[in-house]
Amino acid sequence: DAGVTQSPTHLIKTRGQQVTLRCSPISGHKSVSWYQQVLGQGPQFIFQYYEKEERGRGNFPDRFSARQFPNYSSELNVNALLLGDSALYLCASSLYQSGNTIYFGEGSWLTVV
Amino acid sequence: RKEVEQDPGPFNVPEGATVAFNCTYSNSASQSFFWYRQDCRKEPKLLMSVYSSGNEDGRFTAQLNRASQYISLLIRDSKLSDSATYLCVVIPNSGSARQLTFGSGTQLTVLP
Repeated sequence: DAGVTQSPTHLIKTRGQQVTLRCSPISGHKSVSWYQQVLGQGPQFIFQYYEKEERGRGNFPDRFSARQFPNYSSELNVNALLLGDSALYLCASSLYQSGNTIYFGEGSWLTVV
Repeated sequence: RKEVEQDPGPFNVPEGATVAFNCTYSNSASQSFFWYRQDCRKEPKLLMSVYSSGNEDGRFTAQLNRASQYISLLIRDSKLSDSATYLCVVIPNSGSARQLTFGSGTQLTVLP
């Protein structure tokens, strides 16, 4: 069975640009979460979506937004990119909103120059 | 104060050694605790959950001390393949969102 898949795997953007990252959860999983991992730090929670609704939001500016589609896939959008947005963006899926093991995708490496 | 704090290391140990990592958390209402393993430039993977009674999985033992708000991971008979960053993870409360709070990780290198 396919695990959590993310695209693109690597990308380079310029300051001020916008980026969209995509995630497909494990088949049957209804919850998708996004995390940002800056080099040398642990992942930081950005959003959780469940049944296409936002269920949790971390301490990130409004430049960060996300959505979940009827097929439970998700997109993370970041506007007006800053150098500090350079990070590994991880998508995680779980069966339900809470109480289940969370599985991470391999992530999208974003470099802002 | 960070919500979850870990000694960043690095820990450099010889093969066969026993190594222990500790982690403290600030939110006494935290409900769930885990250790994740992350290899270089890879995604985190669940190593084991941590229960109040303590739990063991082969060479790995995890302990939770709620009174002191710390979690530990013990690795016995270290293997070269254990080299990785170990992330302490807490779920702050039993609320609706499944939000993992990670420590910064402890880097382990097992030397031949």
